[in-house]
Amino acid sequence: DPKIIQKPKYLVAVTGSEKILICEQYLGHNAMYWYRQSAKKPLEFMFSYSYQKLMDNQTASSRFQPQSSKKNHLDLQITALKPDDSATYFCASSQYRGSNERLFFGHGTKLSVL
Amino acid sequence: GEQVEQLPSILRVQEGSSASINCSYEDSASNYFPWYKQEPGENPKLIIDIRSNMERKQIQELIVLLDKKAKRFSLHITDTQPGDSAMYFCAASKHYGNEKITFGAGTKLTIKP
Repeated sequence: DPKIIQKPKYLVAVTGSEKILICEQYLGHNAMYWYRQSAKKPLEFMFSYSYQKLMDNQTASSRFQPQSSKKNHLDLQITALKPDDSATYFCASSQYRGSNERLFFGHGTKLSVL
Repeated sequence: GEQVEQLPSILRVQEGSSASINCSYEDSASNYFPWYKQEPGENPKLIIDIRSNMERKQIQELIVLLDKKAKRFSLHITDTQPGDSAMYFCAASKHYGNEKITFGAGTKLTIKP
């Protein structure tokens, strides 16, 4: 019974298109994150949110936009998709934002951009 | 930001023997060092962590050692089993300023029967 739900599990997109990756957590955590994993850069931090506010952004491209409609939701909108965006995107959460807090990861969305 | 180096990238050991993975970090202010295990097609899962007020921590067959002076920490898996085959990631973070967790590049561990 997964406590962090990511949808969809697999996603195929055409270059130039736009997609939204969905993440909901039911752990009662106050902080949520997005990580990206590819062969080039394993577990690369992208964003962190705390109480629905953006706290850290390590993604250079504005094509990646997190969206938080509720405390336990953190979606990721990706526009103008490129083949290099192909990766597995992991949503994660922790009780509070900051160090010493254990991260729980969702099962990921595997994105393939053709 | 923090940089974490992890070696080796690939490790193969015989079932029943020990496996060791080494990590080093740059920022002496880092004080939290978790280890995550990721099986094929699965999400990373925390298996053990150590804080800077400790030098050694053991949970069953997992041992983590921390050398703050050398800025190194390591994971040792004793009596390895086939189920230990997976990717392992070390990470580091520091308390001040609520820094993000920085991961190493990962070690692919294969247990040979």
